[in-house]
Amino acid sequence: EVQLVESGGGLVKPGGSLRLSCAASGFTFSDYSFSWVRQAPGKGLEWVSSISGTSSYIYYADSVKGRFTISRDNAKNSLCLQMNSLRAEDTAVYYCARERGLDPPWPSTKWGQGTLVTVSS
Amino acid sequence: SYVLTQPPSVSVAPGQTARITCGGNNIGSRSVHWYQQKPGQGPVLVVYDDSDRPSGIPERVSGSNSGNTATLTINRVEVGDEADYYCQVWDTRSGSSNSGSYVFGSGTKVTVL
Repeated sequence: EVQLVESGGGLVKPGGSLRLSCAASGFTFSDYSFSWVRQAPGKGLEWVSSISGTSSYIYYADSVKGRFTISRDNAKNSLCLQMNSLRAEDTAVYYCARERGLDPPWPSTKWGQGTLVTVSS
Repeated sequence: SYVLTQPPSVSVAPGQTARITCGGNNIGSRSVHWYQQKPGQGPVLVVYDDSDRPSGIPERVSGSNSGNTATLTINRVEVGDEADYYCQVWDTRSGSSNSGSYVFGSGTKVTVL
């Protein structure tokens, strides 16, 4: 069974840092690109970042560029999102999503359950 | 940046047809994907590449895309179809061969009366 399990969310002060992880299982991790997508409370979906299967292609939304870093470890079947200089507007549930192919763009065919990040003093 | 416009809400009686639109400049030239999201759950892909269905999605769910509007159609609507629906496209940024972004529509809440 394909599974994506996010972790690392929590409460952090403005200007702080947080590292999200997504543990994958049930498929060949390196065959797929991945995205992080977030959803602020009561709001719609917002794409954050994507990474290709070999990490050759990496993309960021303008809203997080320079502050967030996406990475993956194909040996550990793990996806990460390092979030620095966090702002109140980064408060959201962050979803890990597996795309349909190796290099973006592809639709996201499998999503995790999400992890909540709250940025507040 | 590219903008996708969806109506905030659509109401439909059980057994009827729900049509959810996603407007964008010449969206017909792009591949559109649709996601369903129920409260407290992660999104689920229901249509990709304008009109293809992933396995497990019923045939009464379909998509089309032409001109400036993509449409998700749900025939014979059931109570279980009540959810938020989002369209998505890829936007290749002009002036860069290795740059782009995913764009989501603002979402449409489908209410089954």
